Amino acid sequence: NAGVTQTPKFRILKIGQSMTLQCTQDMNHNYMYWYRQDPGMGLKLIYYSVGAGITDKGEVPNGYNVSRSTTEDFPLRLELAAPSQTSVYFCASTREGGSSGANVLTFGAGSRLTVL
Amino acid sequence: GDSVTQMEGPVTLSEEAFLTINCTYTATGYPSLFWYVQYPGEGLQLLLKATKADDKGSNKGFEATYRKETTSFHLEKGSVQVSDSAVYFCALSPSGTGGFKTIFGAGTRLFVKA
Repeated sequence: NAGVTQTPKFRILKIGQSMTLQCTQDMNHNYMYWYRQDPGMGLKLIYYSVGAGITDKGEVPNGYNVSRSTTEDFPLRLELAAPSQTSVYFCASTREGGSSGANVLTFGAGSRLTVL
Repeated sequence: GDSVTQMEGPVTLSEEAFLTINCTYTATGYPSLFWYVQYPGEGLQLLLKATKADDKGSNKGFEATYRKETTSFHLEKGSVQVSDSAVYFCALSPSGTGGFKTIFGAGTRLFVKA
């Protein structure tokens, strides 16, 4: 059982380049999320999805786009990379949201992105 | 709005020392509370959780009690090991919401010396 898998683990981009961070989960979770982690700042939610075909903005969506064509996959697209997007990106999923009680997040191992 | 505040790190301890990492929160209603741990080079993983007041979450020798009266969820371990060196995140999920509402503290880095 692989859980949440992210690729690539590391990437260096030049300013203005674009790229896609891949995320896939094999737990049949309906909720998926993208976070960024900056030093000393905790995690900030970029985008989330409650199911295939449905996405919504989180706290810091500017400069990013997402899609959710299947339950398993939730890619994050960076258009026109900027130095401010240098960060570690985490994909996560939960089985369900709503009033189910504790919503435990399962995280991928992260993707470290540097924009120069 | 809802928020989580945890003690700044790094925290440096010798092996077998007692650990406390303080966490307080601001939220309406009865949120679920979590501690996540991030080992070097890895993603976050759930350490323990509590869903209602006076609940005690425990795992791997770590404990935290949901204190509604003090809005706290302090993490404790009686005897730390070198392998406990990691970053610890306190988090809350507001009542009646999905995981997309999870709010994280800034994280506390723990170093344990042999």
